[in-house]
Amino acid sequence: DMKVTQMPRYLIKRMGENVLLECGQDMSHETMYWYRQDPGLGLQLIYISYDVDSNSEGDIPKGYRVSRKKREHFSLILDSAKTNQTSVYFCASGADSGNTLYFGEGSRLIVV
Amino acid sequence: GDSVTQTEGLVTLTEGLPVMLNCTYQTIYSNPFLFWYVQHLNESPRLLLKSFTDNKRTEHQGFHATLHKSSSSFHLQKSSAQLSDSALYYCALSDRWDSGYNKLTFGKGTVLLVSP
Repeated sequence: DMKVTQMPRYLIKRMGENVLLECGQDMSHETMYWYRQDPGLGLQLIYISYDVDSNSEGDIPKGYRVSRKKREHFSLILDSAKTNQTSVYFCASGADSGNTLYFGEGSRLIVV
Repeated sequence: GDSVTQTEGLVTLTEGLPVMLNCTYQTIYSNPFLFWYVQHLNESPRLLLKSFTDNKRTEHQGFHATLHKSSSSFHLQKSSAQLSDSALYYCALSDRWDSGYNKLTFGKGTVLLVSP
């Protein structure tokens, strides 16, 4: 079954704390993504990963970093979270250009 | 860089009326892929339909869209709206970066609200 799994689903953190969002996929897709979704702004690309240890910045990478040590696993890290990073974060995976993106269930992060 | 422009904000319709959500795009690549994703409340986005063939109609689940490269458009249509069509709709564009890998650019989304 094709599935992208995100953990945790809900998270509340204090400003300045570190945040780790994890994503796994069971489709052996090479490419994985992290997006954030905010009302009125749509889905904004944070980072894209082409394979293990092959990551590139998306459109809004500032304040985030990523790690991909296994093809099936892609992590998003916020070092010292800020209140403006309160959002819903979606992980996705996909094959070559033109193929479907499969999204995880989303991780809702609140930074207070 | 690439950009996607959709019908702004909220579209409200009465059940049974036709649906048209506009999408136009800008890209330097001559062979883009265009997508419509749909996201129902408290769910994640999922693919509704996609196309890379100029002037060919693509259909899925009662919705259809035609990629027109001459006008850089990929409008989403349905002949008769249903209550279950209420959702957030994203138009998206994919091209090939110089490295040959895929980047998907989303529009800001259009909320479709269908009422009885």
